Amino acid sequence: EDQVTQSPEALRLQEGESSSLNCSYTVSGLRGLFWYRQDPGKGPEFLFTLYSAGEEKEKERLKATLTKKESFLHITAPKPEDSATYLCAVNSGGYQKVTFGTGTKLQVIP
Amino acid sequence: EPEVTQTPSHQVTQMGQEVILRCVPISNHLYFYWYRQILGQKVEFLVSFYNNEISEKSEIFDDQFSVERPDGSNFTLKIRSTKLEDSAMYFCASSGGSPDTQYFGPGTRLTVL
Repeated sequence: EDQVTQSPEALRLQEGESSSLNCSYTVSGLRGLFWYRQDPGKGPEFLFTLYSAGEEKEKERLKATLTKKESFLHITAPKPEDSATYLCAVNSGGYQKVTFGTGTKLQVIP
Repeated sequence: EPEVTQTPSHQVTQMGQEVILRCVPISNHLYFYWYRQILGQKVEFLVSFYNNEISEKSEIFDDQFSVERPDGSNFTLKIRSTKLEDSAMYFCASSGGSPDTQYFGPGTRLTVL
C-alpha cells in the first residue's frame, strides 16, 4: 500500500525566510507525485506534478524537486499569502486513486 | 480557467437521511473522482469513475455510497442512509487522463446530526 509522509507537520517562517518541506513516499511504481496547496475550508489547489526522479518544476516562489524516495517543496522568500497547508500526493501502479499525506501547515509571519 | 464546481457548499442532514452531493467536472475531462476529508485528517480516496462506470473504489465506499453521471455535465455522490461518521468535507475531482493531474472542487461540507 502506498505511503506518504510529510514533514514537518507545521512550520512557522518569518517573511523572506526560505525553507523546504519534505515528502517521503513508499510506492510500487510511481506514476506521478503531486503538490497541492489547501487553504482552510477549501479544496486542494494544484501546484505541481512530477513524474520522474531528477525532475524539477517552479512557479513563482515555489520549486518542487523529486528523487526516488522523496520530494521537496522549496519556498524562497515567502510572503504571508503563502500561508496554507501544503499537501503531497502520489499515484502509483495501475491505480487511478491518489494517496495523500497529512500535509505541512505553513505560517509566514510578516 | 476551467474549474470543478460543487453544490451545495454546506449540507446539514439528519442521521439516516439520504443526501446527494453534486459536481460539475472540467468539461473535457474523462475521469471523475470523489474524496473526503474528515476534519483535521488527510484527504482520502473514495471512488473513481470512467466511461460511465466505477473504475476503482476504496474500502470506505461501501453499499451506502453510489455515484452517477446523470447527464453530460453532472457527477453525483449519493449516501443512502447517512451516519454521524459521514460528517466530512467531500471533494470532487476530475482529470483528463490516468495518470494525470486531478483538479479538485471547493468541496461540500456534510454535517450529519
